[in-house]
Amino acid sequence: DTEVTQTPKHLVMGMTNKKSLKCEQHMGHRAMYWYKQKAKKPPELMFVYSYEKLSINESVPSRFSPECPNSSLLNLHLHALQPEDSALYLCASSLDLTYEQYFGPGTRLTVT
Amino acid sequence: QQQVKQSPQSLIVQKGGISIINCAYENTAFDYFPWYQQFPGKGPALLIAIRPDVSEKKEGRFTISFNKSAKQFSLHIMDSQPGDSATYFCAATRGGTGKLIFGQGTTLQVKP
Repeated sequence: DTEVTQTPKHLVMGMTNKKSLKCEQHMGHRAMYWYKQKAKKPPELMFVYSYEKLSINESVPSRFSPECPNSSLLNLHLHALQPEDSALYLCASSLDLTYEQYFGPGTRLTVT
Repeated sequence: QQQVKQSPQSLIVQKGGISIINCAYENTAFDYFPWYQQFPGKGPALLIAIRPDVSEKKEGRFTISFNKSAKQFSLHIMDSQPGDSATYFCAATRGGTGKLIFGQGTTLQVKP
């Protein structure tokens, strides 16, 4: 298995909802990442996990809460989001922090 | 000093032509420079990457040229095809951080 999978593909949520994004990889990678990408812009790093520990939080608002339950799985819990949080949320993984990052297809999130 | 500047913003090339995208960086601590290709609605896909101990790397029709003294690197796509039409992002990182700094992206259109 050589891919990063993300679910759901699309998500529409209200500003009072709580939802979660899921990312999975079975490549034995020990670093996993969350990025946010707005239309026609590059991906912006949000969080980095290395060996299941949070190593970087790029000053992301607390309404985004990451979780790494095991080395293959990464979640992003969403609560009380704003319409400006609508974006493509990308997960990536790499063997460790020094190696190439491989991206999943993303979750298209719309906050109404 | 953390920026990566990418040009041009958009590029139109005839089928069979050479597409050239340029990136420049300031931080001399960067030691890994990947290029990503992204189709609409998809996640970025790693295309090719280089480390500063080599001046050129070729994979199929894709070549990275790296000029360490000028702090510049570029992507050349030989024999460009309509299927190459996508957005291309250069990136840079310092070893062991996992923190990719992306350029602003180049939208390539290859005309048949």
